[in-house]
Amino acid sequence: DGGITQSPKYLFRKEGQNVTLSCEQNLNHDAMYWYRQDPGQGLRLIYYSQIVNDFQKGDIAEGYSVSREKKESFPLTVTSAQKNPTAFYLCASSIVGLGGSPLHFGNGTRLTVT
Amino acid sequence: KNEVEQSPQNLTAQEGEFITINCSYSVGISALHWLQQHPGGGIVSLFMLSSGKKKHGRLIATINIQEKHSSLHITASHPRDSAVYICADPRGSNYKLTFGKGTLLTVNP
Repeated sequence: DGGITQSPKYLFRKEGQNVTLSCEQNLNHDAMYWYRQDPGQGLRLIYYSQIVNDFQKGDIAEGYSVSREKKESFPLTVTSAQKNPTAFYLCASSIVGLGGSPLHFGNGTRLTVT
Repeated sequence: KNEVEQSPQNLTAQEGEFITINCSYSVGISALHWLQQHPGGGIVSLFMLSSGKKKHGRLIATINIQEKHSSLHITASHPRDSAVYICADPRGSNYKLTFGKGTLLTVNP
């Protein structure tokens, strides 16, 4: 079955370390997204990519970086510059833009930084 | 300011009850999204709608463009419907959504 795989499910890091979250999709979708979810808040967009080799900053890109070298893969790096990195991170994809196609989500990675 | 407001924040129901969750948004849209997030954290897309009504099983979504309001209804609710329901409004860009904070629904047997 097609879907989005995020790994790992839980991730623990020490403050000051960079960490990379994996996101792989086999849905053949062009667009991919990274969202952050904090308790009591709506999902917030970190980065998105409309097509391979292209990506755009979302609303809270500071302290994060991404790459889109392959259509299937959109890894997110949480750098030491991110001031409050502990959160639930969700990767998603869509066939085209969100006015015309639904989002498909991975199961998320819960990152804890101490 | 582009906001998406959901009500209620929390909703507890008995199995079999009819459920309504409301969503108000402030920007003209192409298609409003309704999502379901289960306790484990995974999210699934329920509906995308830009006018009228859509139905899938016991779930019905309606939208009133003039009033900038959408509702999600669940008929004959069941404990497995217990989840957080989230509405999201595309805003200008075809790749950005503004998400509501979600409605936590608990259906008791």
